[in-house]
Amino acid sequence: AQTVTQSQPEMSVQEAETVTLSCTYDTSESDYYLFWYKQPPSRQMILVIRQEAYKQQNATENRFSVNFQKAAKSFSLKISDSQLGDAAMYFCAQNNAGNMLTFGGGTRLMVKP
Amino acid sequence: ETGVTQSPTHLIKTRGQQVTLRCSSQSGHNTVSWYQQALGQGPQFIFQYYREEENGRGNFPPRFSGLQFPNYSSELNVNALELDDSALYLCASSSTTGTNTEAFFGQGTRLTVV
Repeated sequence: AQTVTQSQPEMSVQEAETVTLSCTYDTSESDYYLFWYKQPPSRQMILVIRQEAYKQQNATENRFSVNFQKAAKSFSLKISDSQLGDAAMYFCAQNNAGNMLTFGGGTRLMVKP
Repeated sequence: ETGVTQSPTHLIKTRGQQVTLRCSSQSGHNTVSWYQQALGQGPQFIFQYYREEENGRGNFPPRFSGLQFPNYSSELNVNALELDDSALYLCASSSTTGTNTEAFFGQGTRLTVV
């Protein structure tokens, strides 16, 4: 069985600063992706960034980047130059061979002006 | 906007009743997955439909059932509602079941059981 753990229920960051959200996972799958999703109050899950397990290079999308440590089964999200619009729930997730997602419990990110 | 639409957006039901939630997948997508998100928690996988067949199921009882139609839209049915079924129900559609395929989520249906 897959498990995804987010140990930070809440994080706070000053606008324009950098914040890192943590995630660990456990799986017996060999082919999988890892994801970070953002869920604003509108409730819709928005894909922020994804990482293929076979790729050693960490994924980057504009201000968002990941630190993928496969041996440690760690997948953290770094948000640079934080903006007020980044405030939301963030979920780490992993898929399996059927593209079914296992989510962590989430981290609430607050951005202070 | 992802092109995935769910209806209704909100619903209140009484314990013991039955409910049907609907999801229209994005154009060209043949796979729909359903998730239950209890308040303050991450979504949990209920089941997935691929080309009208159930393709995988999470740890949910048989009173959670589903359908996928020839146009790949989908329904989630819950019988004998319990108070703990109160949650946000999310559907996600994708073009295949491959791991490299992005899943697109709808805005969810908020179900309250009283």
